Amino acid sequence: EAQVTQNPRYLITVTGKKLTVTCSQNMNHEYMSWYRQDPGLGLRQIYYSMNVEVTDKGDVPEGYKVSRKEKRNFPLILESPSPNQTSLYFCASSSKAEIINNEQFFGPGTRLTVL
Amino acid sequence: SQKIEQNSEALNIQEGKTATLTCNYTNYSPAYLQWYRQDPGRGPVFLLLIRENEKEKRKERLKVTFDTTLKQSLFHITASQPADSATYLCALDGDTGFQKLVFGTGTRLLVSP
Repeated sequence: EAQVTQNPRYLITVTGKKLTVTCSQNMNHEYMSWYRQDPGLGLRQIYYSMNVEVTDKGDVPEGYKVSRKEKRNFPLILESPSPNQTSLYFCASSSKAEIINNEQFFGPGTRLTVL
Repeated sequence: SQKIEQNSEALNIQEGKTATLTCNYTNYSPAYLQWYRQDPGRGPVFLLLIRENEKEKRKERLKVTFDTTLKQSLFHITASQPADSATYLCALDGDTGFQKLVFGTGTRLLVSP
């Protein structure tokens, strides 16, 4: 089944404790993105990647890091989480071959709470 | 400033009626606009894309219109069913950035039997 998976789905942590949210897709997509979704603000792009070893900042990159060492994986790293990073996070992928449509395939989401 | 707006109030309709959701934008010149469905606790799912040179696009019970003069897209679900209850997001291509999508905050649709 074609899908984007994220782990963990739920995470409660404390300020300053480094964490990683994993994202993996099995569709051989070139493009991957991370979004956060907050009430009243909609989905906002954090980082995106055009291919292996190619990443760039989105609209709200502060406090986050990403890496793309393999085509299928795109982990999101919070080196020192703060309470304002409490949010619902989505990983998404899309195909270069379908760039004209830019259809995003989203993962199930990770609900992060930083105390 | 640039904005993309969807009605934040939930839309309640009865089964069998047509639901119409609105997406308005300001200070964007999108080449296309997308609609996604999002169920509670799940990621958005792509439904339809309409390009700037298309007035209308249909897919089964869904119809989307795109008026670049009014800077508005309308999303219609005909013969609505309780299973159509969800939040619907619109997204358009932002002016800057690779594959830059800008999302609205979504409108929740509730279809009662």
